Amino acid sequence: AQRVTQPEKLLSVFKGAPVELKCNYSYSGSPELFWYVQYSRQRLQLLLRHISRESIKGFTADLNKGETSFHLKKPFAQEEDSAMYYCALTSTQGGSEKLVFGKGTKLTVNP
Amino acid sequence: KAGVTQTPRYLIKTRGQQVTLSCSPISGHRSVSWYQQTPGQGLQFLFEYFSETQRNKGNFPGRFSGRQFSNSRSEMNVSTLELGDSALYLCASSLEVSGGTGELFFGEGSRLTVL
Repeated sequence: AQRVTQPEKLLSVFKGAPVELKCNYSYSGSPELFWYVQYSRQRLQLLLRHISRESIKGFTADLNKGETSFHLKKPFAQEEDSAMYYCALTSTQGGSEKLVFGKGTKLTVNP
Repeated sequence: KAGVTQTPRYLIKTRGQQVTLSCSPISGHRSVSWYQQTPGQGLQFLFEYFSETQRNKGNFPGRFSGRQFSNSRSEMNVSTLELGDSALYLCASSLEVSGGTGELFFGEGSRLTVL
């Protein structure tokens, strides 16, 4: 079964410190992976997707098929990065696709 | 462009009642997905509709149902409410023509409390 695991429910770092949010997945095939973010009192929104190989707000994520991981990284955390982060993968079922989410990691960046 | 709109934003029901939640997708988006969000389970997929057809369904009991109208607006219904149905129900729309999972645009959600 397709599964996304985010091992840390809570992660706290200081401003300026590096941050890494872990995401591991299980999927039989070539997955499409995403990171979604929910800032306080805002809607859940897409942060980045692995297929774009882009950096958004200083965040990057590399798909490691050998380790089945898609960790989200930022070298210097900012207070405005405090949010709930969800890793997600595309799961194909019955010819159509759906997004399967991890349970999320709450990141707090302290001043 | 208006975002995904969900109504009502908050509602309180009692066990055994039923509830209908509504979602208006972004104009032009034909795919609508529903998720249940709880602190313990995170985001769990309920179902997805495309052009009035349910294309995908999650592992929820038959009490959870949905539909999509010709204007892409969608509703979900939960019958015989249980305490465990208390959650934030999120709707998301996507601009996808066929197959693939495009970016999901989420609404603010409908917070259901079952007493």
